Amino acid sequence: EAEVAQSPRYKITEKSQAVAFWCDPISGHATLYWYRQILGQGPELLVQFQDESVVDDSQLPKDRFSAERLKGVDSTLKIQPAELGDSAMYLCASSLAATEAFFGQGTRLTVV
Amino acid sequence: KQEVTQIPAALSVPEGENLVLNCSFTDSAIYNLQWFRQDPGKGLTSLLLIQSSQREQTSGRLNASLDKSSGRSTLYIAASQPGDSATYLCAAPKAAGNKLTFGGGTRVLVKP
Repeated sequence: EAEVAQSPRYKITEKSQAVAFWCDPISGHATLYWYRQILGQGPELLVQFQDESVVDDSQLPKDRFSAERLKGVDSTLKIQPAELGDSAMYLCASSLAATEAFFGQGTRLTVV
Repeated sequence: KQEVTQIPAALSVPEGENLVLNCSFTDSAIYNLQWFRQDPGKGLTSLLLIQSSQREQTSGRLNASLDKSSGRSTLYIAASQPGDSATYLCAAPKAAGNKLTFGGGTRVLVKP
């Protein structure tokens, strides 16, 4: 069964360091989302791509976060420098033409 | 701005009892509504998706209803099992391809 792949599953980093997460959506899914989920809360959108174009990054802290999807397939989310408050689960999701969204297993980030 | 609320935040029931999970949204202009399950430390698994034109959707022991006029959706899980213990989240996009706005989730514990 097709699934959204994310890596790494877990990441521990020191504050002020750089960290990157990778996502490979389900093949053929043009829409890719990055969400952040703080423990005990629902996910919130950081950035949404349609193919290689950003369609919503209004909640992305652009001074430290960046995201790219160069060939319209896989995507990378970067944080530099990481802060203690960035500790959270980072979830990637994809969908086909505005239908059901499918999520990956997430990357659990701990900033120490 | 769409706000999605899930009450209660936590629920504990004995095995075999039916589960009723509530989801409320402030803006009835939704494209669809999706219910997810999340196990601790894991990603989200899609359970059911209800189109805005539908009243309900069923899959096995799960049944989800949608009442746009009152801004409510309900997820029913029949004859609960300990394996149903998880957090259940609802989410809705405003239009096709838009981001999902999530509720805070209901954490369910089914006791054997």
